[in-house]
Amino acid sequence: KNEVEQSPQNLTAQEGEFITINCSYSVGISALHWLQQHPGGGIVSLFMLSSGKKKHGRLIATINIQEKHSSLHITASHPRDSAVYICAVSSLMYSGGGADGLTFGKGTHLIIQP
Amino acid sequence: NAGVTQTPKFQVLKTGQSMTLQCAQDMNHEYMSWYRQDPGMGLRLIHYSVGAGITDQGEVPNGYNVSRSTTEDFPLRLLSAAPSQTSVYFCASSYLFGVNGYTFGSGTRLTVV
Repeated sequence: KNEVEQSPQNLTAQEGEFITINCSYSVGISALHWLQQHPGGGIVSLFMLSSGKKKHGRLIATINIQEKHSSLHITASHPRDSAVYICAVSSLMYSGGGADGLTFGKGTHLIIQP
Repeated sequence: NAGVTQTPKFQVLKTGQSMTLQCAQDMNHEYMSWYRQDPGMGLRLIHYSVGAGITDQGEVPNGYNVSRSTTEDFPLRLLSAAPSQTSVYFCASSYLFGVNGYTFGSGTRLTVV
């Protein structure tokens, strides 16, 4: 079973700061996902990546497959970025017998103060 | 709008009652799954399905049943609710192997008293 660790668990920053959230996992994966969950809200997929780097607006996600590590960066942070950010990994293939789907980290609770 | 629809959004049950959480998707995704989210823990997989007629257990299946009679629908049944099943439940769907990522429903907040 894959173990997914996120750090930090909680992060409070000032508006405009550069934010980094880290994720590490224990065994090989097919893809890594970054998700966003606002308080009381649903879960939105931000990125899915299996190598390299992806960028969407002020969000950047990177992954290092050899080191089993990924980072989510937020540039020019804004109070509306306040949310829980969740890292999840998906297994290499549907085995037909084992549990498939996503293994989740516990999330990083981000608060951006104005 | 294309997506995953979960109903109800909120539910309060008494211990021992039964209910079904509904999940429907209109994206022709083969893979559908149910997760529960509890404070201080990551989301955990309850049951999943890779196509109509095929279901399998996840990490925490006890107390829950599922079926997949159509590609679109994947209901989660609680046969005899227990306070330990108080949680927020999310349904998610994707193409097989998570190709193009996962789409989540808006969640069902269930309280068992």
